[in-house]
Amino acid sequence: EVQLLESGGNLVQPGGSLRLSCAASGFTFSSYAMSWVRQAPGKGLEWVSAISGGGSTTYYADSVKGRFTISRDNSKNTLYLQMHSLRAEDTAVYYCAKEYYGGLEPNYYGFDVWGQGTTVTVSS
Amino acid sequence: EIVLTQSPATLSLSPGERATLSCRASQTIASYLAWYQQRPGQGPRLLIHDTSIRAPGIPGRFSGSGSGTDFTLTISNLEPEDFAIYYCQQEKAFGPGSKVEIK
Repeated sequence: EVQLLESGGNLVQPGGSLRLSCAASGFTFSSYAMSWVRQAPGKGLEWVSAISGGGSTTYYADSVKGRFTISRDNSKNTLYLQMHSLRAEDTAVYYCAKEYYGGLEPNYYGFDVWGQGTTVTVSS
Repeated sequence: EIVLTQSPATLSLSPGERATLSCRASQTIASYLAWYQQRPGQGPRLLIHDTSIRAPGIPGRFSGSGSGTDFTLTISNLEPEDFAIYYCQQEKAFGPGSKVEIK
């Protein structure tokens, strides 16, 4: 079964840091670009970051550029999101998502597998 | 930067009825539009990709169409489990969502 399982969400103070993980199983992880997508409480979906299948190229939303770093360890089938300088507006459920189409570079044509999400709360 | 708008924000219907949801892009986009369903407490579920292709396992009552700037998701014969929020997506942009609620 194809599955994504996020972890690492927590309550953190403004200015703090957090690292999210996403464990993948059931597919050839290194063959797919991956993304992080977040959803603030009661709000819609917001794409955050993407990484190529090999991990060499990364992409960020303007709202997180310079503060967040996406990475992956294909030997461990795991995707990461390192978050620094967290703000109240970063409070959200963070999902990792697999692209429907294979290909090493992100194409954003659709995300066919999503995790259950991990909650990040930024508050003092 | 592409901006997607969805209408209506909320649609109140009864089981068995047809739902028609609209997604409009701020500029002409390629046909790589996707639709997702999100039920309360769950992650999004891919319904449609490439404007009109149902994802594996998605029932035939879900259909997508459109081109240019105007796209539509149609749910014929609403089932109880179809009452949810629906999002369109193109590249890195998501629409704000349309809620289909029970009338």
